[in-house]
Amino acid sequence: DTEVTQTPKHLVMGMTNKKSLKCEQHMGHRAMYWYKQKAKKPPELMFVYSYEKLSINESVPSRFSPECPNSSLLNLHLHALQPEDSALYLCASSQEVVQGNEKLFFGSGTQLSVL
Amino acid sequence: AQSVTQLGSHVSVSEGALVLLRCNYSSSVPPYLFWYVQYPNQGLQLLLKYTSAATLVKGINGFEAEFKKSETSFHLTKPSAHMSDAAEYFCAVSRAGGTSYGKLTFGQGTILTVHP
Repeated sequence: DTEVTQTPKHLVMGMTNKKSLKCEQHMGHRAMYWYKQKAKKPPELMFVYSYEKLSINESVPSRFSPECPNSSLLNLHLHALQPEDSALYLCASSQEVVQGNEKLFFGSGTQLSVL
Repeated sequence: AQSVTQLGSHVSVSEGALVLLRCNYSSSVPPYLFWYVQYPNQGLQLLLKYTSAATLVKGINGFEAEFKKSETSFHLTKPSAHMSDAAEYFCAVSRAGGTSYGKLTFGQGTILTVHP
């Protein structure tokens, strides 16, 4: 199984809602990532988890809250988002984060629209 | 800081023609360089990566890239384009060592169109 599974595929939420994005992998990878991709733009790193500990937070606003309950799961909790947060949210995993040359496996993403 | 610049946001080729997608990097330390492909409504898939073992890197789907330090380039090529190659291609760089493990920085992307 070489898949990274993201749910839901599409999400529409209001600015006062609380929602969560979920990501799962069963490749035994110990590093997991959240990327944000605006339309017609490249992906931008948000968070990196290594061995279930947050290792990189790219100065992401606190309305985005990541969680890594175990080595296979990664969540992104959303609260009080703004319309400009509408984007494709991509989850990725890699075997680990040691050298910087690891291959990332990406999920298909969650297309988020904030109204 | 590291960065990559992709020259040309759109490239159009005929089926069977050479594909050349350009990427130049900027890095103060030896970089790791990658090419990823993104099909519509999909995540990204690794095509190939350069990690200093060899300057000519072969990837999946017949793609290859050559690392040229003198030109700070890592251009992606494929001898003969196929319709299924139509997608968006991203060049990316990460740092070897330091405290930025896991930080992959992408270029702006190049959309490849293949005409019959």
